[in-house]
Amino acid sequence: GAGVSQSPRYKVAKRGQDVALRCDPISGHVSLFWYQQALGQGPEFLTYFQNEAQLDKSGLPSDRFFAERPEGSVSTLKIQRTQQEDSAVYLCASSLVLGATGELFFGEGSRLTVL
Amino acid sequence: AQTVTQSQPEMSVQEAETVTLSCTYDTSESDYYLFWYKQPPSRQMILVIRQEAYKQQNATENRFSVNFQKAAKSFSLKISDSQLGDAAMYFCAYRRPISNFGNEKLTFGTGTRLTIIP
Repeated sequence: GAGVSQSPRYKVAKRGQDVALRCDPISGHVSLFWYQQALGQGPEFLTYFQNEAQLDKSGLPSDRFFAERPEGSVSTLKIQRTQQEDSAVYLCASSLVLGATGELFFGEGSRLTVL
Repeated sequence: AQTVTQSQPEMSVQEAETVTLSCTYDTSESDYYLFWYKQPPSRQMILVIRQEAYKQQNATENRFSVNFQKAAKSFSLKISDSQLGDAAMYFCAYRRPISNFGNEKLTFGTGTRLTIIP
């Protein structure tokens, strides 16, 4: 596609529900990142994929958070048993090449509100 | 761990004037990359300008330029001839050198909200 696409753009969940957020990166992009952006804050790193391999998940806040990219393209971020503190915008970003000049392209994010 | 600090939560500037947004960072690395991103209400992060730490020359992109002071660990963004479309949140970001895993993880500041006054 022309850019990084994320869905849904808005999700309201009741506390305790499971949610799944989808990211379609730009076709052919090797690297894929998930970030969490709380209200009034800068994005914070969650996890990183190189093709289908999840090479860094050090930013995932708890074991309720799980991400996958099984075929090295589309990625899903799953949050189990959502809590109010999970309310945030979840941003996905991709880049074509590894290396210093690989520009990151961001999607518009999925805003999650947990009631 | 690297940290990025933006001490100006909000700034405003008259249309056509110049404004400077501040950013400081902390790192023990000698080689790294610094970025300014713009986030309009649509939420999509857009790269404004990039600076490689090993380059002494300050980066420039049209109306946007940086003042990179490596010893002071300072990286400010200057916007000249401000336009209404420049209104957005601006985030300063740091990226360490690429590791064996090719991780290009960014560390962001808390952002500065820029308002353009017509």
